[in-house]
Amino acid sequence: QKEVEQNSGPLSVPEGAIASLNCTYSDRGSQSFFWYRQYSGKSPELIMFIYSNGDKEDGRFTAQLNKASQYVSLLIRDSQPSDSATYLCAVRSNSGYALNFGKGTSLLVTP
Amino acid sequence: DAGVIQSPRHEVTEMGQEVTLRCKPISGHNSLFWYRQTMMRGLELLIYFNNNVPIDDSGMPEDRFSAKMPNASFSTLKIQPSEPRDSAVYFCASTPETGEAFFGQGTRLTVV
Repeated sequence: QKEVEQNSGPLSVPEGAIASLNCTYSDRGSQSFFWYRQYSGKSPELIMFIYSNGDKEDGRFTAQLNKASQYVSLLIRDSQPSDSATYLCAVRSNSGYALNFGKGTSLLVTP
Repeated sequence: DAGVIQSPRHEVTEMGQEVTLRCKPISGHNSLFWYRQTMMRGLELLIYFNNNVPIDDSGMPEDRFSAKMPNASFSTLKIQPSEPRDSAVYFCASTPETGEAFFGQGTRLTVV
């Protein structure tokens, strides 16, 4: 079973702070890593993806990948109340097409 | 492109009835996925297709579930007979070669 683990939260941060969301995965053959945001009652939407070790920045979002530790994280700088949502980590193995999702971390940004 | 289109958006049916969910993927995407989401289990992969061919249906709960993709622009997920425990949100997603999945708006299924 290929596991993707996330802390369910809720993670509460004040407006303007940095939110740090973490994800671990069990399949060492995993090659592609994705972060999705899901608002209540809506479908998941892609925030960003990362394939290589290190950091990847896109606006207020930074994805960090450490394949040796089987760990991927998402940092949200200058958090806004509109960032309050569930954040889903997804992992794709090199041997298949499917994305395996974690159960998500609920983020609450308080004004 | 209008994105992944699913229908219906909401479905309420009685136990034992047949339910058919429909999906139109994004044009040019070569993979299509059916997921089910519940509070308890999160997003579960049911089945996925690559170039219209079913690749892995190990996530399909039981024989009551079936899926087809007759062409590159259409897929169905059928539940027959439906049961109350099938109540969930069912998502269809399609991906290009690069692998990022784009989701439809989902079908909220309630079986009473």
